[in-house]
Parts: sequence; structure tokens; C-alpha cells
Amino acid sequence: GESVGLHLPTLSVQEGDNSIINCAYSNSASDYFIWYKQESGKGPQFIIDIRSNMDKRQGQRVTVLLNKTVKHLSLQIAATQPGDSAVYFCAENEAAGNKLTFGGGTRVLVKP
Amino acid sequence: DAGVIQSPRHEVTEMGQEVTLRCKPISGHDYLFWYRQTMMRGLELLIYFNNNVPIDDSGMPEDRFSAKMPNASFSTLKIQPSEPRDSAVYFCASTATEGRGGKLFFGSGTQLSVL
Repeated sequence: GESVGLHLPTLSVQEGDNSIINCAYSNSASDYFIWYKQESGKGPQFIIDIRSNMDKRQGQRVTVLLNKTVKHLSLQIAATQPGDSAVYFCAENEAAGNKLTFGGGTRVLVKP
Repeated sequence: DAGVIQSPRHEVTEMGQEVTLRCKPISGHDYLFWYRQTMMRGLELLIYFNNNVPIDDSGMPEDRFSAKMPNASFSTLKIQPSEPRDSAVYFCASTATEGRGGKLFFGSGTQLSVL
């Protein structure tokens, strides 16, 4: 993913609805992808990861989908809760490397 | 587990002054990363260490920035002299070898303001 710059995309979602956050990554050599959640005043927190030999992985209330053909990653949050309000980042890791490249982030606002 | 500990949480300094940011990684983690976060550029990797040895410092902006890891439980990021454009949140993160750079554990960051 590329850094977006000044304007952080925002997703407003009603509490209880499902959220879908999208991310386009840029490096065809990336083979490991991660979603992070960052709450205000805190560091990013690992949510879920997926390797390039998979196209879907599920966690608790979260699902990550990977489409390598179009270099697209998505994070689905089921039954969104107020505590899910945060900025979400996708990150990619190139094969055999240890450098994570972060996308620009998407802000999720949960409306009660 | 206390997690990754960074200090100070906030730092306000004047242009030209030296700034030192500190990090204590999670015990047992052999990788340590320094990131910088700004609205304009997002999260950028500055440098990372493996077993206290700097592996990749290609993200360090310029010679004013330096990082050290004298032992497995401590790292510093120093800016000398500091400039207003260095204002950002600086994060330290650590992971173990099996995490292979993906499952990073971040500290709470140091908010740096250079006036």
C-alpha cells in the first residue's frame, strides 16, 4: 500500500453492521500481509495476518481476504462495535525480508 | 508482560537541540524496529535491528538521525540537531524471529514536537 497523504479515508458504520476496509498493495513480491488497528494515542496493534498461499483467513469477528491477481486486501469486521472505532492499516512484507510497508490507513467511525 | 516500553511519551524541544528517544523491547524478542508516523507520510520504517545489530537503516532520513542498541533490552534513537520537520510520533516495535517482521508489537510512541 502507498501512503495516502493528508486525507485519511473514513468509513462510517452503524453499530452492529459489518464493516469492510479495503487496501491495495503495490509490491508483487510481497508474500505476507497484516492488518493493524491503531486507537487514538496508542501504537498499532496486530489484528490478523495472511500469507500469499491463502486467499482467506478468519479470526474472532474479523476476516481477511487476499486477491493476488489484483493486489487487493480487505478486512471484514462482523457486528461492528464502538470499540472498533480506530484507524486500520494494511501492511505488506516482501518475501525473505523483515521490512513491513504500511498503507495509508482507513479511519472507522462506529455510530451508536 | 509489560509490552514495548517507550520514553518519554511526549517531548517538546527547540530547533537545534538534541533529542533522545528510548525503547525497551519485549523480553525475548530479537528484532527491534523504529518507525516514524506523520499525517503526510504515514508510518515509515527508519531502521531495524536483529540481535542488537543494525540490519537496515535505509529509512533513516539523514545523518542527523542515529540509532543504537547496546543490549537486547534497550535501544535509542537520537536526533541531533533537531528540526521542526522532525515533529512526528516515533514508534518502537519488537518481534521474535518466528514473527518474521509481520507480527510486530508496538510501544505507545513518543510524540515529538520541535519548535
